[in-house]
Amino acid sequence: DTAVSQTPKYLVTQMGNDKSIKCEQNLGHDTMYWYKQDSKKFLKIMFSYNNKELIINETVPNRFSPKSPDKAHLNLHINSLELGDSAVYFCASSLSNEKLFFGSGTQLSVL
Amino acid sequence: DAKTTQPTSMDCAEGRAANLPCNHSTISGNEYVYWYRQIHSQGPQYIIHGLKNNETNEMASLIITEDRKSSTLILPHATLRDTAVYYCIALTNSGYALNFGKGTSLLVTP
Repeated sequence: DTAVSQTPKYLVTQMGNDKSIKCEQNLGHDTMYWYKQDSKKFLKIMFSYNNKELIINETVPNRFSPKSPDKAHLNLHINSLELGDSAVYFCASSLSNEKLFFGSGTQLSVL
Repeated sequence: DAKTTQPTSMDCAEGRAANLPCNHSTISGNEYVYWYRQIHSQGPQYIIHGLKNNETNEMASLIITEDRKSSTLILPHATLRDTAVYYCIALTNSGYALNFGKGTSLLVTP
């Protein structure tokens, strides 16, 4: 009955690979987000979708491509992984611009 | 969104009140003050938010100064489980999402 669930929790991969992280929310929210938390613990917005439409797209390499098949899902696909992509990625959702509900994070390690 | 400033770290004895300050001297009239916390290895968790009036919920109280240039999050009876990084953010009602700063690392000790 987890509100915002993301998989996998851990992802270890080699440089150059392509990987995806999935996120699902069962809260009936209309807005979903991807955040990146780096080694210095700064948490930065990457993307936001409202009703399946992209509304926030921060300065993120185009190797990162979000996909929202429906309002309850926002997946993150990353091409040609680099060492600097290693971080914890958090999915979140909200009802419009109200308070955020976060998933438990995906720790990505690129070797 | 207005910039916020918080102390890097604070300690609090278990059972005592934890008072976490936040300065937001450039906050505009339509910006809310939001507080979130992040317990180690977990996703951030919403705590409380307010505009002008003080607010209280089951988790905490939020005291906003009359000039709205600063606020204090109060955990009335801190427990060890309250050890976390606490983030204070100013956000308009029409603003989507936000970047979280470094926050305050609160350590609750036995």
